Amino acid sequence: QQPVQSPQAVILREGEDAVINCSSSKALYSVHWYRQKHGEAPVFLMILLKGGEQKGHEKISASFNEKKQQSSLYLTASQLSYSGTYFCGTGVGGAGSYQLTFGKGTKLSVIP
Amino acid sequence: SQTIHQWPATLVQPVGSPLSLECTVEGTSNPNLYWYRQAAGRGLQLLFYSVGIGQISSEVPQNLSASRPQDRQFILSSKKLLLSDSGFYLCAWSVWVPGIPPEQYFGPGTRLTVT
Repeated sequence: QQPVQSPQAVILREGEDAVINCSSSKALYSVHWYRQKHGEAPVFLMILLKGGEQKGHEKISASFNEKKQQSSLYLTASQLSYSGTYFCGTGVGGAGSYQLTFGKGTKLSVIP
Repeated sequence: SQTIHQWPATLVQPVGSPLSLECTVEGTSNPNLYWYRQAAGRGLQLLFYSVGIGQISSEVPQNLSASRPQDRQFILSSKKLLLSDSGFYLCAWSVWVPGIPPEQYFGPGTRLTVT
């Protein structure tokens, strides 16, 4: 089942912060985050594997709340380069059948 | 390091014509391979995945098919294209490690326009 992302779109000024949420009606075992710039392929940001896990990369971090079946992506002190569409993907299956189901994406626009 | 290639990068085909898109991965062995389609302004739809040579699982019934003739080669085909086949086709790979959900990486994509 497709995870639900919110908000669908957000506009930020440089230096502002944003939170993108990804929730599922099913139990989550892994959450993958990607950023896609216009006309390009999605780029892998990070994967969270356990409930309560948090990860960070520069000023982009994420958390995984297994009980709430939700993951959040945090972008702090946003830069123009952060613009793009962010997708979360939830992993299902094991060896021989592992696949991701992606949300519809959150379009982030950072303006000067 | 691993690299994934897709070609062609762009393609314009008339309705009813055949299709063949190719994806190859370098620098890894026995990857899981995936084909996704992304319609304009939309999300990522999984079409096929493969865990080995000749092993294809289809997620969405359609007029597309996939084949994996070699370990690191994945091909998406159609005998007759429909207008609705237009979109951005992405190949992705991952390597399964028992018990650890794998990271998945996308190729550069093929932009297909059916006219």
